[in-house]
Amino acid sequence: DSGVTQTPKHLITATGQRVTLRCSPRSGDLSVYWYQQSLDQGLQFLIQYYNGEERAKGNILERFSAQQFPDLHSELNLSSLELGDSALYFCASSVEIGSLYEQYFGPGTRLTVT
Amino acid sequence: GEDVEQSLFLSVREGDSSVINCTYTDSSSTYLYWYKQEPGAGLQLLTYIFSNMDMKQDQRLTVLLNKKDKHLSLRIADTQTGDSAIYFCAEFILTGGGNKLTFGTGTQLKVEL
Repeated sequence: DSGVTQTPKHLITATGQRVTLRCSPRSGDLSVYWYQQSLDQGLQFLIQYYNGEERAKGNILERFSAQQFPDLHSELNLSSLELGDSALYFCASSVEIGSLYEQYFGPGTRLTVT
Repeated sequence: GEDVEQSLFLSVREGDSSVINCTYTDSSSTYLYWYKQEPGAGLQLLTYIFSNMDMKQDQRLTVLLNKKDKHLSLRIADTQTGDSAIYFCAEFILTGGGNKLTFGTGTQLKVEL
């Protein structure tokens, strides 16, 4: 158990819908990262937040957005869902910028768009 | 470029050593990592190596880094059936004011009796 929690574990929804994935980082970790794992794209970095602020952005679609709240939990919002958005979405957390960067991953949320 | 490549499959017998290879392209990477993913599970951080090191040993795991060739390998000694999983190498990339991991394609390790 990495200490990173993600909910829900599974999500099945229809095209065009909007969903919210939630992540709670390890206690004391200020950075939260979101990654997408799919068969065709592999593991792709989406976005990083540090203490509530966006710090780095990857190949995140405009239909996707994220935020980190004052209690450090994070949410990834996916809207206008398409079949191709079906994937495993991971959240990871690390202690702080400037130290050894060990990212610890949550168990993931499996999203199926039908 | 930030491509990280790995061979897709590796099959070994229980008790043998496994060597999983990885090549990366970003020479400025300061840390390189190995993660393990078991079926239906998240990514477990196994070990890492700092870019100024050539080798790091951690119990049954040995990481070798050839910075000149941008080649990273993970050796698992006395491989067990519980080691069957997908192994990802990842390089740490500083980007703007933040950072990210760029992952390889993953190597599926199958351990046979």
